[in-house]
Amino acid sequence: DTGVSQDPRHKITKRGQNVTFRCDPISEHNRLYWYRQTLGQGPEFLTYFQNEAQLEKSRLLSDRFSAERPKGSFSTLEIQRTEQGDSAMYLCASSRGYADRELFFGEGSRLTVL
Amino acid sequence: TQLLEQSPQFLSIQEGENLTVYCNSSSVFSSLQWYRQEPGEGPVLLVTVVTGGEVKKLKRLTFQFGDARKDSSLHITAAQTGDTGLYLCAGANYNQGGKLIFGQGTELSVKP
Repeated sequence: DTGVSQDPRHKITKRGQNVTFRCDPISEHNRLYWYRQTLGQGPEFLTYFQNEAQLEKSRLLSDRFSAERPKGSFSTLEIQRTEQGDSAMYLCASSRGYADRELFFGEGSRLTVL
Repeated sequence: TQLLEQSPQFLSIQEGENLTVYCNSSSVFSSLQWYRQEPGEGPVLLVTVVTGGEVKKLKRLTFQFGDARKDSSLHITAAQTGDTGLYLCAGANYNQGGKLIFGQGTELSVKP
């Protein structure tokens, strides 16, 4: 399967711990997005990359969140000192080219902070 | 900050009924997309509209982009139980890097 893959699919952690999520986009896609989604709501934009360059990070995102895409391929999203409010589904998506191109989403990484 | 407001947030109808979902903003978008999401899965693209006034049809689904490119609607004719899901509109503005911003979604439940 050559779709977007995310790992892990589920993560349960205790408050204060650090967690890292990985996203492997479709290989020829140069744009990669991270979104956060809570139950029944639309995805909330976190950050996105054009190749290895991080073009924008949401102002809603605290300094505890960091994302990288070191070689313009896979990406990682790290959350430091997790809080209960961080519990959500973290979605990764990739696209080829620019704004009106289709985003292909992974199945998400569900985070539960106890 | 560009925002997309969807209405209604929840919709429960009987199979065979028609429905319309609205997506509104005070901002102009360069393009607008509609996605459908099922539980435990990522959103999947239904359609992209880029021209003001554009109408696109996908079987029983009709999508419209407002003349001013600030709003859009999704109309479903003769809904089926398989249409159940979360419907999301998402807009992009080329002048702001082209990132995709989503509305809060419309949860549709079609009952047999």
